[in-house]
Order: sequence, then C-alpha cells, then structure tokens
Amino acid sequence: GQQLNQSPQSMFIQEGEDVSMNCTSSSIFNTWLWYKQEPGEGPVLLIALYKAGELTSNGRLTAQFGITRKDSFLNISASIPSDVGIYFCAAQGAQKLVFGQGTRLTINP
Amino acid sequence: SQTIHQWPATLVQPVGSPLSLECTVEGTSNPNLYWYRQAAGRGLQLLFYSVGIGQISSEVPQNLSASRPQDRQFILSSKKLLLSDSGFYLCAWSFGRYTEAFFGQGTRLTVV
Repeated sequence: GQQLNQSPQSMFIQEGEDVSMNCTSSSIFNTWLWYKQEPGEGPVLLIALYKAGELTSNGRLTAQFGITRKDSFLNISASIPSDVGIYFCAAQGAQKLVFGQGTRLTINP
Repeated sequence: SQTIHQWPATLVQPVGSPLSLECTVEGTSNPNLYWYRQAAGRGLQLLFYSVGIGQISSEVPQNLSASRPQDRQFILSSKKLLLSDSGFYLCAWSFGRYTEAFFGQGTRLTVV
C-alpha cells in the first residue's frame, strides 16, 4: 500500500533555531499536505501543495512539493514556543489521504 | 464556510458494549469523508473512507464498521468493543480527489 516515511520522529531544539523535516514515498502523489496537531485536538492544515516543484510559504513555514512527486519537506524558521506539537505530512492518493508517522517538536526556551 | 462536527468528545465504554460515533459536515455537498484512528503519540491510521452515500471503503480488517446514511453524515460503529479499540478517533472531510482534508476535534475512546 501507499506509505509515507517521515523524519525525524522527534526534534529537540532551542528557541530561535530553524527546523526541517521531510517525507518520502515510493509512490507518486498529486497533493502533499502538512498538518500540525496539538494534544487532544484534531490536526490543523498548515500548507497544501498541488504542483510538483511548488514552493509555498505560510508565515515562518515553508514547504515544497518534490519534483519527482514522491517527497516533500517542511521548514520552520526562527522557532518560537508555540511551534511545539506534532507535525504530520500527508499525501492524496487515489481518493484517500495517507499520513506520515509525525515529527514531535519540542522547544527549549 | 464549511464546518465539521464530531461527537462525543470523550467516551468511556465497557468491553463488549456497542459504539456509535457521529460526524457531520456543513456548508458543502458530496464531500469525501474519512475516519482515522490515532494511538497515543502515534500517526493516523485510515480506517474508512467514503466518496458518496452508501459507498464505504475499508482500509484494515477490524472490529469496526462505517456507514454514510446521508451525504454529509458519517458514522463509525461497533457491535462489541474490544480493549484494543481504545484510541483517538478523527473524522475528516475533503472536497474530493487531490484536495486538502479538514479534521474534526476528535473523540477520545477508552474501552474498560
């Protein structure tokens, strides 16, 4: 089946540092998405990517849809305490949305 | 604008009891609908998805079933809960193929 490999699984950084995470797959996808989830809540959409090679920003967040359509990355610049949470990549295949295993971000003030 | 409602927020049920979780979407028609389960600290596992009324696709064999009796209503059920059914259940919707999905607030199910 279609699977996404997300890395790293966890990150421990200092406030102000930049963050980078990525997702790869052996399958081709038409849409890549990045979500953030906080404890006890549903994931919230951060960035949606629809075209291979597309680079999109949302404030301090930047994400890219890989040119091969098999990968995507998310960067967070100048991290702040409210960036703490679990970040998930997701990709749309044939009528269904599959998720990576998540990257847990912890920030030391 | 579109909204998604999922209830209840938390549920504690004994082993062997039935389950019914409901999800409704407002402000759109013919959405794709999804049920996911999330174990503590883990990723999201797709359980069921639906592209239309009465059309349900199951991703993994399990003790659960799903139904879509109306266009914007998606129900997750079980006849007899197992301890392993405990988890965080999330409903989501999307406009269709290759579009982003939006999630409800989730239901924390604890089977005791």
